Amino acid sequence: DQQVKQNSPSLSVQEGRISILNCDYTNSMFDYFLWYKKYPAEGPTFLISISSIKDKNEDGRFTVFLNKSAKHLSLHIVPSQPGDSAVYFCAAKAEEAAGNKLTFGGGTRVLVKP
Amino acid sequence: SAVISQKPSRDICQRGTSLTIQCQVDSQVTMMFWYRQQPGQSLTLIATANQGSEATYESGFVIDKFPISRPNLTFSTLTVSNMSPEDSSIYLCSVERLSGETQYFGPGTRLLVL
Repeated sequence: DQQVKQNSPSLSVQEGRISILNCDYTNSMFDYFLWYKKYPAEGPTFLISISSIKDKNEDGRFTVFLNKSAKHLSLHIVPSQPGDSAVYFCAAKAEEAAGNKLTFGGGTRVLVKP
Repeated sequence: SAVISQKPSRDICQRGTSLTIQCQVDSQVTMMFWYRQQPGQSLTLIATANQGSEATYESGFVIDKFPISRPNLTFSTLTVSNMSPEDSSIYLCSVERLSGETQYFGPGTRLLVL
């Protein structure tokens, strides 16, 4: 039972254009969502998060949108840079339960072409 | 954030042996977790390391196979026991400084079992 899904395993985008990564979840108890970036041979790096009381959070080139009714969130990166090439993981947790456990999606590999 | 180190960074082991992975944080944290990332897969939580008491294991993971210690608020170990090639993975430590905050990850330990 995959509670967090990233249906696009890979994404290729031209430098300077927008990257849009999508994530769907099934557990209605999830109320906090995070995006991580991971380079090979490194641990995941926290990018941005959003609480379920918001529908948008922005930090520099990164914006996360949350649609609770659709149980869907997306990460927008604009403009995309070659250094953004990495695997991006969506993660979710239910803060009042499950002991702060993070449930991860399968990841989306992004390639930004110069 | 927190500065997290893991030792070893990588290892190649023979089947049937055990390996202990260390996780050290630069400051006291409330929560420490151990994750596994199998080749081509997402991150899966193994257990929550509890200070002064037994770890809390996720479904599919047991103490005999993955004993965990957490003697204080800055240090934890994960042992992978009686290893088989299926244990070949990246093992990651993560922390939350305060419960409910963002989780930050260590650099990971890349394990290959022959």
